[in-house]
Amino acid sequence: EVQLVESGGGLIQPGGSLRLSCAASGFAVDETFMIWVRQGPGKGLEWVSVIYRGGRRDYADSLNGRIALFRDTSNNTLYLQMNSLRVEDTAVYYCARARHTSVFGVEGLDVWGQGTTVIVSS
Amino acid sequence: EIVMNQSPLSLAVSPGEAASISCRASQSLLKRNGNNYLDWYLQKPGQSPQLLIYLGSNRASGVPDRFNGSGSGTDFTLTISRVEAEDVGVYYCMQGIETPALTFGGGTKVAI
Repeated sequence: EVQLVESGGGLIQPGGSLRLSCAASGFAVDETFMIWVRQGPGKGLEWVSVIYRGGRRDYADSLNGRIALFRDTSNNTLYLQMNSLRVEDTAVYYCARARHTSVFGVEGLDVWGQGTTVIVSS
Repeated sequence: EIVMNQSPLSLAVSPGEAASISCRASQSLLKRNGNNYLDWYLQKPGQSPQLLIYLGSNRASGVPDRFNGSGSGTDFTLTISRVEAEDVGVYYCMQGIETPALTFGGGTKVAI
């Protein structure tokens, strides 16, 4: 079965660090474009970080410099290291897979994890 | 960054009725290969988003044929021909043309 399972969320004080994990099964994490998306309380969806098939990574400006995305092919898992966390980073963090990509763009995010909740509060 | 605007904000429908949601992009999502890089997602209460429609009008695997996507360029519509109770949730459009900054509409809440 193709699935993604996130973990690593929790309650953390402002300025703290967390490492989120996204374990994939049924496909290889390095065979497609992968994305982290977050959803603040009562809010919409916002992209956080992406990793392309070739390994290039990009980060949203709001988090750039505070996060790093890693891909471990030996255990088929993505890791999102989050540092200097702020209250406004409180959200459910999802990882998702692109069903297909081309030079023209992304053609749908067809597999999503269940999400992991990060709460930044003193 | 491409801005995605959805309307309405919320929608109340009766089972069996049709429902339509609009999505407008701040720039064209049509590429020279003829594809529109616009997706539709449904987030059911307490769940993660699920892909309904990709490339503007293609239903994802397992999606019922009562869901239809249409439009081109900057204006798109998701139509549910006969709403069922299981269709409640928040619907989002997303542009896939500008990576990495994939952007979503603000969402449309559909209630029965």
